[in-house]
Amino acid sequence: DQQVKQNSPSLSVQEGRISILNCDYTNSMFDYFLWYKKYPAEGPTFLISISSIKDKNEDGRFTVFLNKSAKHLSLHIVPSQPGDSAVYFCAASSAPGNQFYFGTGTSLTVIP
Amino acid sequence: DVKVTQSSRYLVKRTGEKVFLECVQDMDHENMFWYRQDPGLGLRLIYFSYDVKMKEKGDIPEGYSVSREKKERFSLILESASTNQTSMYLCASMALAAHSYNEQFFGPGTRLTVL
Repeated sequence: DQQVKQNSPSLSVQEGRISILNCDYTNSMFDYFLWYKKYPAEGPTFLISISSIKDKNEDGRFTVFLNKSAKHLSLHIVPSQPGDSAVYFCAASSAPGNQFYFGTGTSLTVIP
Repeated sequence: DVKVTQSSRYLVKRTGEKVFLECVQDMDHENMFWYRQDPGLGLRLIYFSYDVKMKEKGDIPEGYSVSREKKERFSLILESASTNQTSMYLCASMALAAHSYNEQFFGPGTRLTVL
């Protein structure tokens, strides 16, 4: 049973525009969320995180929004750049030391 | 610079062979993980270890075993490889997270093909 879902397998965006990647989860005990970015033939690298006590976290061009009531988080990339083309995974955990559950990934293509 | 290395980037094995995938981290992390990544399924946890000689099953442990004899090294073993174990295998490590969350650091992955 997939506890973390990314319903869009792929997304294409023009360079300079906003990219919005979505993630839904089913377990109400999740209280920490991360986004990872993965290039082909490389391991995922950490991008940004958010704790359930916040509804927004920003780091440069990347912002993550959390809507706990809807069990939904999103990653906004503004402005999008061609180097952002990668697969993005969201992940969630319910307690420090517990395993992270990963979504299925969204492949983002930023068109120059 | 933190580093997680995996012994092979690409591996081709035959059905029934015993396969060893090695992972080494240089960050003195307590926790180490093995995932497999498959299209449409994301990353699924096979096993993890929170200390030397300790191991815990993840979501899909069947057909796999692990070994952690030293803190920096975590091995994944396919006892008798099967074609449905063809996948990308990712190792990760993470500092001890008793009261706070930490990120996981991933290796580059091993693309295993079982013929």
